[in-house]
Amino acid sequence: DTAVSQTPKYLVTQMGNDKSIKCEQNLGHDTMYWYKQDSKKFLKIMFSYNNKELIINETVPNRFSPKSPDKAHLNLHINSLELGDSAVYFCASTDGLARPYNEQFFGPGTRLTVL
Amino acid sequence: GESVGLHLPTLSVQEGDNSIINCAYSNSASDYFIWYKQESGKGPQFIIDIRSNMDKRQGQRVTVLLNKTVKHLSLQIAATQPGDSAVYFCAVRNYGGATNKLIFGTGTLLAVQP
Repeated sequence: DTAVSQTPKYLVTQMGNDKSIKCEQNLGHDTMYWYKQDSKKFLKIMFSYNNKELIINETVPNRFSPKSPDKAHLNLHINSLELGDSAVYFCASTDGLARPYNEQFFGPGTRLTVL
Repeated sequence: GESVGLHLPTLSVQEGDNSIINCAYSNSASDYFIWYKQESGKGPQFIIDIRSNMDKRQGQRVTVLLNKTVKHLSLQIAATQPGDSAVYFCAVRNYGGATNKLIFGTGTLLAVQP
C-alpha cells in the first residue's frame, strides 16, 4: 500500500554516466515533484508536473530532464553525472492546483552517489 | 525572494520534556505553512499544517503557532519521546500563482535523550 515509491533506493555510479530515477504514486494525485536534498539536509525543489505538464522548473542544469508518461509517474533522467550531483533525491505528490491547502506526500528517497 | 530559516539547527531535550522548534519566514504573502518530520533514511512526513487565517492549531501532542506580525512559526511537541528524534522542517507556500511550490527551511535536528 505504498503511496509514493521510488526506484532505486541507492544508486552508485561513475562521473560522466547517465542514470534515471523512477517515481510512482498511487494516491490519485495529479501533481508531482522532484526535490534534491544535499548533505546538510537542505531540501530544494527542482521540478513539478501537473497532469503531465511541466509547471515548475527551477534553476537546474539542463543535464537533468524530468519526464512524466502519465500523472502517476514522474521520472528523472540525469546526463553526464558530476560529483556535485551526489545527494538524496525525493519525489513528492499532491492533490493538485485546485486544492491548494494540501500537503505534499514524499517518497522514501534515492541516494545518488557519484564517484 | 522567499527565505525560510530556523533559529536552532540542533535541539537536545530530555524525554518527557516539551520541545519547541522555531522557524522564520520572509514573505508576508505566505499563506500556508507545514511542518514535516524526517527520520533517518526516510522521506519527510507531514506532521501538521496551518493556514494564514489562523494563529494556532493543535494535533496529537503537537501544536503549531503562527505569528504573522513577526513572520514566525513554531512547532511545540508535548512530552517528547525518543521516537520524536528526527529532523524537523518548516515549509511555506505563497499561493496566488499557478503553482503549489513549497519553500523549505533548513531543518532542525531534534535529539531526545532518554
